[in-house]
Amino acid sequence: EAGVTQFPSHSVIEKGQTVTLRCDPISGHDNLYWYRRVMGKEIKFLLHFVKESKQDESGMPNNRFLAERTGGTYSTLKVQPAELEDSGVYFCASSPFQGSYEQYFGPGTRLTVT
Amino acid sequence: LAKTTQPISMDSYEGQEVNITCSHNNIATNDYITWYQQFPSQGPRFIIQGYKTKVTNEVASLFIPADRKSSTLSLPRVSLSDTAVYYCLAGMYSGGGADGLTFGKGTHLIIQP
Repeated sequence: EAGVTQFPSHSVIEKGQTVTLRCDPISGHDNLYWYRRVMGKEIKFLLHFVKESKQDESGMPNNRFLAERTGGTYSTLKVQPAELEDSGVYFCASSPFQGSYEQYFGPGTRLTVT
Repeated sequence: LAKTTQPISMDSYEGQEVNITCSHNNIATNDYITWYQQFPSQGPRFIIQGYKTKVTNEVASLFIPADRKSSTLSLPRVSLSDTAVYYCLAGMYSGGGADGLTFGKGTHLIIQP
């Protein structure tokens, strides 16, 4: 069974540009989560999808971040326009069950904004 | 959501048993204790979860005393490949009923030959 995959593994962009991160969850997992770790900080929850619906996006830092999960399969996280403080590692996780402490994480996308 | 406190770092040697203790004094009645492991350039990986007493799987054991204010992750006979950051989680994200996990700083475990 394939794990959670994320693309790209690393992205370097200039301040003000747009970047779109993609996450493919484990097949059949209705729950999809985005997290991020900015430099020197802990991993923080961003938002949670159940199928194509946003269950909670209270962790999203501001309206420059837009997450979508059309069709309830893969998800994208767009940052527009990117700022220096957006640099960090963005993780995606999925789970078959809502409310489960066992989530399956992808390898992350390292975003560098210069 | 209970705040967790665990050592920032620990060192041990191959073949030794390693115990990492986490305190969570304000754990709620319905909160489970979960441990994750993270290798460099990878996402966190679930290793074990428990509510009380002892849980054991093929990777680790988790000991939780009756008052549940702390827990101990036990890794038997560690190898170099167990070098990683270990996170203790007590409960989930407290905002808006979400299922997001809350990670602390974790314990950086370094295994030496």
